[in-house]
Amino acid sequence: NAGVMQNPRHLVRRRGQEARLRCSPMKGHSHVYWYRQLPEEGLKFMVYLQKENIIDESGMPKERFSAEFPKEGPSILRIQQVVRGDSAAYFCASSPQQGTEQFFGPGTRLTVL
Amino acid sequence: QKEVEQDPGPLSVPEGAIVSLNCTYSNSAFQYFMWYRQYSRKGPELLMYTYSSGNKEDGRFTAQVDKSSKYISLFIRDSQPSDSATYLCAMNPGNTGKLIFGQGTTLQVKP
Repeated sequence: NAGVMQNPRHLVRRRGQEARLRCSPMKGHSHVYWYRQLPEEGLKFMVYLQKENIIDESGMPKERFSAEFPKEGPSILRIQQVVRGDSAAYFCASSPQQGTEQFFGPGTRLTVL
Repeated sequence: QKEVEQDPGPLSVPEGAIVSLNCTYSNSAFQYFMWYRQYSRKGPELLMYTYSSGNKEDGRFTAQVDKSSKYISLFIRDSQPSDSATYLCAMNPGNTGKLIFGQGTTLQVKP
């Protein structure tokens, strides 16, 4: 049973470009979560999605960030017009139900030049 | 005040020692408690998941929850150099998908 998959593992963008991060949950999991880890900081919740629905986006910056989890395909975290402060590790997690244990992917390390 | 407090360390112990890692929290609504291990530049790996006060054991790891004191612990017995990593506690009130993490404690086990 494959774990949570994320791609790309490393992403380099110049300021002003768009970044698209993909996450495929574990088989049988329909709940997806995105977290951000800044250097020397802990993991911070960004958004929680189920298929085709955003359940909680209280941790998402109000501008430039969006997330989706379509009926078919992976969940996407999209960052428009990236700035240097967006450089971080972005982790996706999945769970079979809300409130149960979450399993994390290997992360995408975004570097903004 | 942060919702979850965790001493960042670093914590250095000799091989074979018993390690005690701790977190305190302020929100009495937290129902589910997790411990993750994170190696450098890797994703967090779930070690323990508990939802009630008391102890839960899995191999060399024991998770302890004291809801009355709002205090959780992870004990590692017979620590090995391969246990050297950052350990993160995480909590969830159960009615939301959001995990609240501690800052993480960096552990080094010296051979």
